[in-house]
Amino acid sequence: DTEVTQTPKHLVMGMTNKKSLKCEQHMGHRAMYWYKQKAKKPPELMFVYSYEKLSINESVPSRFSPECPNSSLLNLHLHALQPEDSALYLCASSQVAAGREETQYFGPGTRLLVL
Amino acid sequence: TQLLEQSPQFLSIQEGENLTVYCNSSSVFSSLQWYRQEPGEGPVLLVTVVTGGEVKKLKRLTFQFGDARKDSSLHITAAQPGDTGLYLCAGALRGANNLFFGTGTRLTVIP
Repeated sequence: DTEVTQTPKHLVMGMTNKKSLKCEQHMGHRAMYWYKQKAKKPPELMFVYSYEKLSINESVPSRFSPECPNSSLLNLHLHALQPEDSALYLCASSQVAAGREETQYFGPGTRLLVL
Repeated sequence: TQLLEQSPQFLSIQEGENLTVYCNSSSVFSSLQWYRQEPGEGPVLLVTVVTGGEVKKLKRLTFQFGDARKDSSLHITAAQPGDTGLYLCAGALRGANNLFFGTGTRLTVIP
């Protein structure tokens, strides 16, 4: 089983709303990632969690707040977003965050629209 | 600065034709992955290559990792409309905690 699940599939929110994106994997992976992808562009790394600890924050604005409650779950809390934050948000996981075969498995993504 | 450059950026071919996509860098990678992504979906892993010079085949797809582990290629034989999508290479650098994605190649196979 190489499945990463993400909910919701689609999300529309206003600039004053608070919402959360959820990601789950049951592969025993100890590294989890959030990416943002704009149309026709490759994914851009936002955050990396390794053994439930935040190891990389790619200078992401504080209106995005990640959380890793346990090794299987990863959340992304959203607050006071801007229309330019509209994008496909992808979650991924891998065995470990660093290593020779750091194969990442991606979820289907959450399509976010900020009005 | 983009660590991994893919070429071509766009490719539109007829069904049955062959094609090659290139992924180039000046950096040495400990491993490199290829993904295919369809609109609105997450990238789906196709292959991971680890050893310099390694060749892996997946049905009509052939992946090669350069001898110096700085570049890779994806060759598709007899392309089919189902091959249409965004092809992404992504490399892992030794000691880094993340993958570096290529610029992407958007392939359209016309029936």
